[in-house]
Amino acid sequence: RKEVEQDPGPFNVPEGATVAFNCTYSNSASQSFFWYRQDCRKEPKLLMSVYSSGNEDGRFTAQLNRASQYISLLIRDSKLSDSATYLCVVSLYGGSQGNLIFGKGTKLSVKP
Amino acid sequence: GAVVSQHPSWVICKSGTSVKIECRSLDFQATTMFWYRQFPKQSLMLMATSNEGSKATYEQGVEKDKFLINHASLTLSTLTVTSAHPEDSSFYICSEVQAGAVSYNEQFFGPGTRLTVL
Repeated sequence: RKEVEQDPGPFNVPEGATVAFNCTYSNSASQSFFWYRQDCRKEPKLLMSVYSSGNEDGRFTAQLNRASQYISLLIRDSKLSDSATYLCVVSLYGGSQGNLIFGKGTKLSVKP
Repeated sequence: GAVVSQHPSWVICKSGTSVKIECRSLDFQATTMFWYRQFPKQSLMLMATSNEGSKATYEQGVEKDKFLINHASLTLSTLTVTSAHPEDSSFYICSEVQAGAVSYNEQFFGPGTRLTVL
């Protein structure tokens, strides 16, 4: 079983649509959770951290369910510029150390 | 904000040659460096972790004699792919952790180096 599994893509949606991505992780000892976005042939960039209480940043809302080991990302009012691959990322460490464990990513294509 | 540069951004080489990739912190001092690689349509996979002034720790399956990492200063780390072969063709990305950061999860990624071995 892969450490981080994501929805298979691609997601093709019209502008203005709401789209949701799901992710599960296998290690219950995981401490930190993130969503990154990666544009084609570019480095990943942090979109947002994910907290158990849920958090929102503009059109983006992330949720974490530790009991189910499940992470989600909701994008409202999709823009063309949201087209990218979204990476679910976990770390076994919080605090003072930690490499990141990446999912394969889900590709989103927002069309006019 | 923090900026990490990588050089070269892409390289094409013949099988058997060695390729050095540099990762440089431009705005901060990095005590810890992670090197990842990403094969097409695959996830980023950690190759090794290096701390300034000490030997790198390699992930299982990554040959330390093939992928030489040098983190001799707080602003520069290098990854050398020795005797590269076509199967080493990949996207190599470094990430750095700012010295004194509360959480090592505050990572800053370089723009990546695309290596193609013919």
